[in-house]
Amino acid sequence: AQTVTQSQPEMSVQEAETVTLSCTYDTSESDYYLFWYKQPPSRQMILVIRQEAYKQQNATENRFSVNFQKAAKSFSLKISDSQLGDAAMYFCAYRRSVTSGSRLTFGEGTQLTVNP
Amino acid sequence: DAGVIQSPRHEVTEMGQEVTLRCKPISGHNSLFWYRQTMMRGLELLIYFNNNVPIDDSGMPEDRFSAKMPNASFSTLKIQPSEPRDSAVYFCASSSSAGGRSTSGVYNEQFFGPGTRLTVL
Repeated sequence: AQTVTQSQPEMSVQEAETVTLSCTYDTSESDYYLFWYKQPPSRQMILVIRQEAYKQQNATENRFSVNFQKAAKSFSLKISDSQLGDAAMYFCAYRRSVTSGSRLTFGEGTQLTVNP
Repeated sequence: DAGVIQSPRHEVTEMGQEVTLRCKPISGHNSLFWYRQTMMRGLELLIYFNNNVPIDDSGMPEDRFSAKMPNASFSTLKIQPSEPRDSAVYFCASSSSAGGRSTSGVYNEQFFGPGTRLTVL
């Protein structure tokens, strides 16, 4: 079974600075997707960024980028130029790509605080 | 599109009562997922449907939980009888499944609804 682990329950960052959230996962699959979701206090789940395992290039979305280390099964999220609106719970998630509509397996989450 | 619609947004009920949560997926999506979020267990998949057929219900906690998808635009998650430990936020998500990628190669993202916060007293 696939597992996703986020070892940082809480992180904080100063506004305008950079923060990295860690995520590791375990799988025997070779083709899969990895995601970072953001959940603000409104509790809406918002997709931040995704990475396809077969792609070696790290995904980037504006101020958000990932460091995908497939051999190490590591998938960290870097937030640059942190903004107050980035404060939220962040979840790392895994999904197999073989089965259509397959489940997302989530990590425990990291609560990010952005200090003004 | 209005996105995934869930109702009610909040539900408070007493132990032993039947609870029905509702979800309307995004039009055209043929995969639907029910997730539950609690402090103790985090986010976990309860069940998912593909083309209205339940594919994986291994996450359903026990027989008190049941889910149906009578058509492509509606699904329900029912708890009968409810217990205090069922208190959680229940999310519905939908996606357009095609082995993970569409014919154009675009990944089929799961879109989440706003969730239903259930409190069982």
